[in-house]
Amino acid sequence: GAGVSQSPSNKVTEKGKDVELRCDPISGHTALYWYRQRLGQGLEFLIYFQGNSAPDKSGLPSDRFSAERTGESVSTLTIQRTQQEDSAVYLCASRAGPNYGYTFGSGTRLTVV
Amino acid sequence: GNSVTQMEGPVTLSEEAFLTINCTYTATGYPSLFWYVQYPGEGLQLLLKATKADDKGSNKGFEATYRKETTSFHLEKGSVQVSDSAVYFCALATNDYKLSFGAGTTVTVRA
Repeated sequence: GAGVSQSPSNKVTEKGKDVELRCDPISGHTALYWYRQRLGQGLEFLIYFQGNSAPDKSGLPSDRFSAERTGESVSTLTIQRTQQEDSAVYLCASRAGPNYGYTFGSGTRLTVV
Repeated sequence: GNSVTQMEGPVTLSEEAFLTINCTYTATGYPSLFWYVQYPGEGLQLLLKATKADDKGSNKGFEATYRKETTSFHLEKGSVQVSDSAVYFCALATNDYKLSFGAGTTVTVRA
């Protein structure tokens, strides 16, 4: 598609439930990123995928967070046993390569109640 | 490690006023610098960027110059409009590909 697509746009879940967030990057973009934006704060890096290389998971806040990407296509971010502090906007971005800009999706607003 | 410090908000201005949002950075190597904007209810968008020292990025009347000597990338606009009301994020990326963001500055322009 023309941009980075994320779904769902909004998700309300009960504490303790698992959630799965989806990101469809721009076709042909080899790099894909997940960021988290808590209310009133800047973006926190979560995870980075580049082609078939091992992902950089250094930003994942706990082992409840995991992400997968198949090849250079869709990525899913999974949060297990959600907690209230997981409430945030989760942003996905992709780019074609090191000399190209990042394109962000509109994000998934996750609310844990 | 890499970090970005930007001017705290919120900033409230009148239309046609001059806007400056300060941004300074700490980085290893030679980072690329960016300003991203998030309009109300919308996703993050790239506003402008600069990839090397003394480069000037510009877009929509906004400008920022990459100053290596002062490790700064201040955002400026000479005459703001109500439609410029948004949250502005300064960011950097080094050869290790991660974007490091500032905390964001909320700008409100009043008619």
